[in-house]
Amino acid sequence: EIVLTQFPGTLSLSPGERATLSCRASQSVSNYLGWYQQKPGQAPRLLIYDASNRATGIPARFSGSGSGTDFTLTISSLEAEDFAVYYCQHRSTWPPHFGGGTKVEIK
Amino acid sequence: EVQLLESGGGLVQPGGSLRLSCAASGFTFSNYAMTWVRQAPGKGLEWVSAISVSGGTFYADSVKGRFIISRDNSKNTLYLQMNSLRAEDTAAYYCAKSVLPAARGWFDPWGQGTLVTVSS
Repeated sequence: EIVLTQFPGTLSLSPGERATLSCRASQSVSNYLGWYQQKPGQAPRLLIYDASNRATGIPARFSGSGSGTDFTLTISSLEAEDFAVYYCQHRSTWPPHFGGGTKVEIK
Repeated sequence: EVQLLESGGGLVQPGGSLRLSCAASGFTFSNYAMTWVRQAPGKGLEWVSAISVSGGTFYADSVKGRFIISRDNSKNTLYLQMNSLRAEDTAAYYCAKSVLPAARGWFDPWGQGTLVTVSS
C-alpha cells in the first residue's frame, strides 16, 4: 500500500497570505495525485487532479505541483472561504488512500 | 446537475447489518465508476470500496469480507451492504462519482453523507 503523509497538520495564516501544503507518498505515484477541500459539515470537493489540473469551477488561486513522491498544493492568496481541511489522495494503486489532512485555520 | 443522495444510515448493534443506498441523477450512471468513502467522527477520509462500470468490485482491507458494493443501473442507484458491523465502522459514509470511467479515479462530486453508528 502507498501511504500519503501530509504536512503540516495545521497551518495558521491570515486572509491574503499564501498557503503551501505538502503531501509525500511512501513510493512514487507518478502524477496520480489529487487534492480535496472539506469545510465543516460539508462533503469534500475535488480541487486538483493529476497533480496539477484544476477541477471544474475551481478558482485559479489554487494550484498543484509535483510528481513522484512530493506534491504541493498552493493557495496564492487566502480568501475567507478557503479556511478548511485539505486532503491529498492518490490513484496509482489499490487502495487509493487519502492523506491525513492539513487544516488551514485563521490566524 | 449531478446529484448524489445517500440513505440508509442509522444506529445498529455490533454484529448487525445495514444497507446504504446512493441515488444518482444528472448523469449517465451506467457510464461511471462509483465509490464509497467514510469519515469517522473528527477524523480523516478513508476509502472503503469502489465498483467499476463493468461491475468489478474493490475493497479496503478493513471491510473486505464484510461489506459488499453493488449497483443497479436501471435504478441509477449504488449500494453498500454492511455486515458484521463493528464499533470502528462508525462514520459518515459518502458516495462519490468517479471522474473517470475507471474505478480507481478521482471522486467528484460527493453526496452529503449518511451517518452509521455501531453501538450497543
